[in-house]
Amino acid sequence: AQKVTQAQTEISVVEKEDVTLDCVYETRDTTYYLFWYKQPPSGELVFLIRRNSFDEQNEISGRYSWNFQKSTSSFNFTITASQVVDSAVYFCALSEVRSNDYKLSFGAGTTVTVRA
Amino acid sequence: EAQVTQNPRYLITVTGKKLTVTCSQNMNHEYMSWYRQDPGLGLRQIYYSMNVEVTDKGDVPEGYKVSRKEKRNFPLILESPSPNQTSLYFCASSLSDAALELFFGEGSRLTVL
Repeated sequence: AQKVTQAQTEISVVEKEDVTLDCVYETRDTTYYLFWYKQPPSGELVFLIRRNSFDEQNEISGRYSWNFQKSTSSFNFTITASQVVDSAVYFCALSEVRSNDYKLSFGAGTTVTVRA
Repeated sequence: EAQVTQNPRYLITVTGKKLTVTCSQNMNHEYMSWYRQDPGLGLRQIYYSMNVEVTDKGDVPEGYKVSRKEKRNFPLILESPSPNQTSLYFCASSLSDAALELFFGEGSRLTVL
């Protein structure tokens, strides 16, 4: 079973529109970590945010915001007033405890295209 | 500059010809790992290493080997590559484990004919 589900494969918006990327995760752990990474067309992977399971506070960083809801096992990501430079593949990831390490599972990614 | 460096960035090879993808980090990180990225599947972990001489299998280790003789280096070895190993490979490191932010290399695109 998929540990991290990003149901939206592709999203296309016009510049200045808001876009929300859904991420639903599955875990039995009480301690875990959630991440978002960005992969622009150039191909590198860039860390955006890390959130631990005990901190349900939403976070805002510029035009980016994240909504973490344990009740629905979701960690959604919103880009406000999107720009062309936001065009990228966005990955949600879950890190869970295993015997001697944490296991990191990635979602399949959501491709965001922002049109001028 | 803090970075993870992979080489080669692009490689076309033939079935059965052994190859090594190198990975080096200059951040004194304990944890290093390899991922492959395939369309529709996201990133899947191949192998990881918690420290020198300590390596373990990820989700898709078949057909790959790794070694961690030095802290900074974590090469990925394909002893006998096959076409199903055609993929985009990423090396990553973090300060201590997979609960922390990962720093990724630029990726290595491998094609096996």
